[in-house]
Amino acid sequence: GQNIDQPTEMTATEGAIVQINCTYQTSGFNGLFWYQQHAGEAPTFLSYNVLDGLEEKGRFSSFLSRSKGYSYLLLKELQMKDSASYLCAVRDRDTGFQKLVFGTGTRLLVSP
Amino acid sequence: EAGVAQSPRYKIIEKRQSVAFWCNPISGHATLYWYQQILGQGPKLLIQFQNNGVVDDSQLPKDRFSAERLKGVDSTLKIQPAKLEDSAVYLCASSLDGGLGTVRDNEQFFGPGTRLTVL
Repeated sequence: GQNIDQPTEMTATEGAIVQINCTYQTSGFNGLFWYQQHAGEAPTFLSYNVLDGLEEKGRFSSFLSRSKGYSYLLLKELQMKDSASYLCAVRDRDTGFQKLVFGTGTRLLVSP
Repeated sequence: EAGVAQSPRYKIIEKRQSVAFWCNPISGHATLYWYQQILGQGPKLLIQFQNNGVVDDSQLPKDRFSAERLKGVDSTLKIQPAKLEDSAVYLCASSLDGGLGTVRDNEQFFGPGTRLTVL
């Protein structure tokens, strides 16, 4: 089975840096995704890691350590529009068709 | 390119009634997913289709939920009869290929969802 843990809620101020952690346990790990979801909207893809290390994409970076079952999403120069839920999702090859299992999400509130 | 389309956007029904949701994936996407997202939780996969075949329905409550993708393109998800705990957003997503392809093949694109309220 799979188990994914993320903090429920975080707060930060505009212009700051925030790190959202995700730990996972899965038997058929084959990649980790981060999605952003604004209230009332569908999730949108942010990043993907399958090898250890840091992937940078503008203001957003994502890190993976497979041996520790750990990832984080780093958001720099926070803007008000970054207030959203951030979903960690693990790809699992157990079914043979690479199932995506989502965590419960971290709600980030950015204040002025 | 057009995104994933879903309808209706909102639905309110009473318990024990039936409801159906429709999804049209991005053109050319072989894999289609239905997720249930309860308020405050992450999406939970209900069923995954590869073309018109089911590859994972392990979390679909089959006594009341059914889904089909007859021609390998659009799909419908039905609940019959609905219960109070079915109140959620039902998200449809699609990807080029849900198998052992590249990350680009597996990236899932989500539709706007259908918000179901069961009274």
